[in-house]
Amino acid sequence: AQSVTQLDSHVSVSEGTPVLLRCNYSSSYSPSLFWYVQHPNKGLQLLLKYTSAATLVKGINGFEAEFKKSETSFHLTKPSAHMSDAAEYFCVVSVGYGGATNKLIFGTGTLLAVQP
Amino acid sequence: NAGVTQTPKFRILKIGQSMTLQCTQDMNHNYMYWYRQDPGMGLKLIYYSVGAGITDKGEVPNGYNVSRSTTEDFPLRLELAAPSQTSVYFCATNLQGENYGYTFGSGTRLTVV
Repeated sequence: AQSVTQLDSHVSVSEGTPVLLRCNYSSSYSPSLFWYVQHPNKGLQLLLKYTSAATLVKGINGFEAEFKKSETSFHLTKPSAHMSDAAEYFCVVSVGYGGATNKLIFGTGTLLAVQP
Repeated sequence: NAGVTQTPKFRILKIGQSMTLQCTQDMNHNYMYWYRQDPGMGLKLIYYSVGAGITDKGEVPNGYNVSRSTTEDFPLRLELAAPSQTSVYFCATNLQGENYGYTFGSGTRLTVV
């Protein structure tokens, strides 16, 4: 069965320092993986997605993630945090059911705090 | 192009009341989904639809119903509201298949008291 585990429920960094949000997945076949961000009282916004092309995926707002099959990981990084990055981040795996549709399985989220 | 529009944004219901959460999209996407998000949890799939006239259950369908009479609209119905249905509800759409990505609405925050 497909699943996704976000290893940290809360991460706190100082502005200007690197961000690392960790995600491990479990999938019986090559997965599609996503990172979504949710700002307070807002909907979900797609940051980036991996769909079996390049293993290093660049997203919006300077974020990127690397798909590592050997480690079953898809960690999200950013070289320098900005105050506006404070939000909740969700790692997501896409699940196909016999070609009929694909559904998303969400991690439990990582709340990123950015200190001035 | 409004994308995915959900109404209302907030609602308080009494136990046993009913209501419909509306979801409308103008992107001509085939696939539509309803998720709920509980505090400290990821999103759970309630129902989904692969096209007009076709709906199917997700992980947590109990207490909900849906219909899909048009491509644009995918309303979610709560018939007998219960406190366990207090949550934030998100509607999402997808053109066809995972590679196209998903578009989410801004959510409906529902409290059942």
